[in-house]
Formats: sequence, C-alpha cells, structure tokens
Amino acid sequence: DTEVTQTPKHLVMGMTNKKSLKCEQHMGHRAMYWYKQKAKKPPELMFVYSYEKLSINESVPSRFSPECPNSSLLNLHLHALQPEDSALYLCASSQDRLAGGNNEQFFGPGTRLTVL
Amino acid sequence: GENVEQHPSTLSVQEGDSAVIKCTYSDSASNYFPWYKQELGKRPQLIIDIRSNVGEKKDQRIAVTLNKTAKHFSLHITETQPEDSAVYFCAPPGGYNKLIFGAGTRLAVHP
Repeated sequence: DTEVTQTPKHLVMGMTNKKSLKCEQHMGHRAMYWYKQKAKKPPELMFVYSYEKLSINESVPSRFSPECPNSSLLNLHLHALQPEDSALYLCASSQDRLAGGNNEQFFGPGTRLTVL
Repeated sequence: GENVEQHPSTLSVQEGDSAVIKCTYSDSASNYFPWYKQELGKRPQLIIDIRSNVGEKKDQRIAVTLNKTAKHFSLHITETQPEDSAVYFCAPPGGYNKLIFGAGTRLAVHP
C-alpha cells in the first residue's frame, strides 16, 4: 500500500462544533505531517510527528489539536474554529530522517474544511 | 529560517514548447531539492528530486538542475503537453523532517 488516506473528504462545521480529521498510511513511515492549504497558496506546515512524538508545532492556535495514536494513524482535532480556518487540510508521511529518509513526502488527498 | 523564492508565479506556453521554473533557497546546508506537482483539486505529488552531490537529473521530459554555489535549482519540462498544466512547487528542506514550499508556479499549456 503506497497511499496516504484521509477522511472525511469534505467537512462543514459551525464555530461551536468539535470534529476530527483522520489520516492513515501503511508504508511504515515514522514521520507524519499536517498541512493547511488555502486556495492558490502553497501547503503551510502545521505539525510534524516523528516516531509518534510531536516534533514541530508551527505556532498553530490551540483550537487545532493533533494526535498520533500509533505509527499508522494521525488525527487532527478541531474545536471552536473560525471561518478563516476554512481550507484544504493535507496529511503527509515520509521516512524519518533518523532512519535515513530522504524527505520525500507522500500526501493524502486532503479534507476540504468549511467553517460557517 | 530558510527563505525560498520561486519564479515565475505564472507561466503560459504552447504545447510542445519548453518550460523552466527556478527556485532560490538560502540554507547552504540544504542537500535535497524536490519538485512537487499539484493538479487542480488533487494532492501534491513528487515529480523529481535531486541530491546535492549531482548537478542534473533527468526523467523522460522533466529534468532538474542544481547550482549549489548560486543556491538555486530549476525544473525543466520539454515538449510540454496539456496534462502538464498544474501548479509546481519547489520544496527544499528547512530543518529536520521539514520542507519549505515555494509560492508555486501556475503552468498553463495551451494546445
């Protein structure tokens, strides 16, 4: 299996809702990432997990809460979001640099999030 | 931190022409230089990459060249086809397990 999968594909939520985005990979990658992508912009890194430990948080607001329950799964918990958080949320995975990985990141198809 | 600049922001060519996109980076320690392609509504996908110990790499119609002294690397697409129309991002590393994406180049190939 050489794919990263994400669910749901689309999500509409109100500002008081709590929801979660899910990401899964079975390539044995030990680095996993969350990116946010606005229209006509590059992916913007949010979080990096290395061996199931959070290694990078790019000063993301606490209304976004990542979780890595095991080496194949990555979640992003959402609470009290704002309309400006509407975007495509991309998950990615790669070999970890500790394992001699080359930084090639494999992206999931993304979740298109709309906050009303 | 790492500073990445990508040019041009848009590029329009006729089918069969060549296209060149340039990426300039600031971190002299960078040793891995990838290019990603993102078609409309799709995920970014790696199309070619190069390591710092070589100056050029080719894969059919695409190639990447690296000038470490000048700190830039370029994507070359020859004999462009309509299916090459997409946004292309350079993404040199910006630290451990971290890529810094350029602003992107929107390539349009007209039949």
